[in-house]
Amino acid sequence: KAGVTQTPRYLIKTRGQQVTLSCSPISGHRSVSWYQQTPGQGLQFLFEYFSETQRNKGNFPGRFSGRQFSNSRSEMNVSTLELGDSALYLCASSGTPWGYGYTFGSGTRLTVV
Amino acid sequence: AQSVTQLGSHVSVSEGALVLLRCNYSSSVPPYLFWYVQYPNQGLQLLLKYTSAATLVKGINGFEAEFKKSETSFHLTKPSAHMSDAAEYFCAVRNTNAGKSTFGDGTTLTVKP
Repeated sequence: KAGVTQTPRYLIKTRGQQVTLSCSPISGHRSVSWYQQTPGQGLQFLFEYFSETQRNKGNFPGRFSGRQFSNSRSEMNVSTLELGDSALYLCASSGTPWGYGYTFGSGTRLTVV
Repeated sequence: AQSVTQLGSHVSVSEGALVLLRCNYSSSVPPYLFWYVQYPNQGLQLLLKYTSAATLVKGINGFEAEFKKSETSFHLTKPSAHMSDAAEYFCAVRNTNAGKSTFGDGTTLTVKP
C-alpha cells in the first residue's frame, strides 16, 4: 500500500515568487491536512480538506491557500513568498476527519532566499 | 480549545534504561491523544493512539502510554531504550468532534551507548 506522496521534496524559491506543493494521500483516504513545521514555531496547522471541501483553516495569512481534487489529491499554494515561509510542509492523510491518527508524507522542504 | 504541553524539550537516557516522555493536555471535550515519532528529514510516524477505549495503550517499537484523566496526562514510556529510538517525539490532541490535531513542541530523545 503506497504511503502519502509529497512533491517536490525540496524547493528553493526567491522572495516574492509563488509556489505550489502537491500531496497524494493513501489510496482510499479522503481527508488531507497540511502542517508547517519550523524550528521556532513547531508544527502549525494550515488547513484540512475532506471530499474537496475545506473543513478547518489555521491562523495563516491569505497568501496560503489550498484545494483538494475529486481524486483526493491536494495542493497548497503560497503566493508572494517571504523569508519566514521557509519551512518543512507536511501533508497528512486519514480516512475521514474523524479518523484515528494521521499518516504523514515525508514533507516538502521549502527554502525562500 | 485544545492544547498540549510536553515537559522537557530534550531527554537523554542510556541504552537499556527506561524512557519516559511527558505530555499533558487540555481539551474542552473528551480527547483523542496521539504520540508520533519523527526521524531526521522525514515526516511523522504514528506510534500509538488513545481513542477512549483502554487507558493503557500499546504502540509500535515497544512503546506504550497511559491516559490519566485526573492528571490530564498521556506520558510515553518504553522499558528499555535502544539506540534506534533516538528521534523527536510529538504528543498531539484532537477533539472527538473536530479533525484538526494540535501538536506539542516535541521532545528530542538521545540514547547514549
